[in-house]
Amino acid sequence: GESVGLHLPTLSVQEGDNSIINCAYSNSASDYFIWYKQESGKGPQFIIDIRSNMDKRQGQRVTVLLNKTVKHLSLQIAATQPGDSAVYFCAERENFGNEKLTFGTGTRLTIIP
Amino acid sequence: ETGVTQTPRHLVMGMTNKKSLKCEQHLGHNAMYWYKQSAKKPLELMFVYSLEERVENNSVPSRFSPECPNSSHLFLHLHTLQPEDSALYLCASSQEQAYYEQYFGPGTRLTVT
Repeated sequence: GESVGLHLPTLSVQEGDNSIINCAYSNSASDYFIWYKQESGKGPQFIIDIRSNMDKRQGQRVTVLLNKTVKHLSLQIAATQPGDSAVYFCAERENFGNEKLTFGTGTRLTIIP
Repeated sequence: ETGVTQTPRHLVMGMTNKKSLKCEQHLGHNAMYWYKQSAKKPLELMFVYSLEERVENNSVPSRFSPECPNSSHLFLHLHTLQPEDSALYLCASSQEQAYYEQYFGPGTRLTVT
């Protein structure tokens, strides 16, 4: 079946550096993608989304890049802060008719002070 | 906080016990969801309620029984669970079954002994 996965389960970054978290998806019919952040003891929190007709979207300190050719999604966090330490995972939505999301397993990002 | 609360936050139960998880949303949403989050596995959608009617049951064993008495409250009744049911159970809500605009609660960490 189709799956969403992440290249690395853990990532450690020095505070102030930039971080990149990757996600591979296999469903070419997916038209919408979301990045979530899950801090310890909390539920997932929406960070940023991107539609399949875009290849880049920027938020506050975060940028999502979408490469449909290789079915790859990445989340870039600029100038990382201790509060960025969390598990990040992506989710994809199949094209219209199936609104459900398929989630990835997550990458744990640790910011080193 | 997200406007979605869950109680209890932690629960330890034996395999013969009966317990219930509670979720309450204060966002005026009309759709509510139960997810299971196991270690190193993606989020798994269990149940979906829209306008207090169950619209999705993702092949969940009958030892999990959901209840949605009104659009603000969602319960998950548990009985005769197995150790592999130990996980974080997340509740979410959205408007109009918009999966991509779900707000998650903090979850109930369940341990079955």
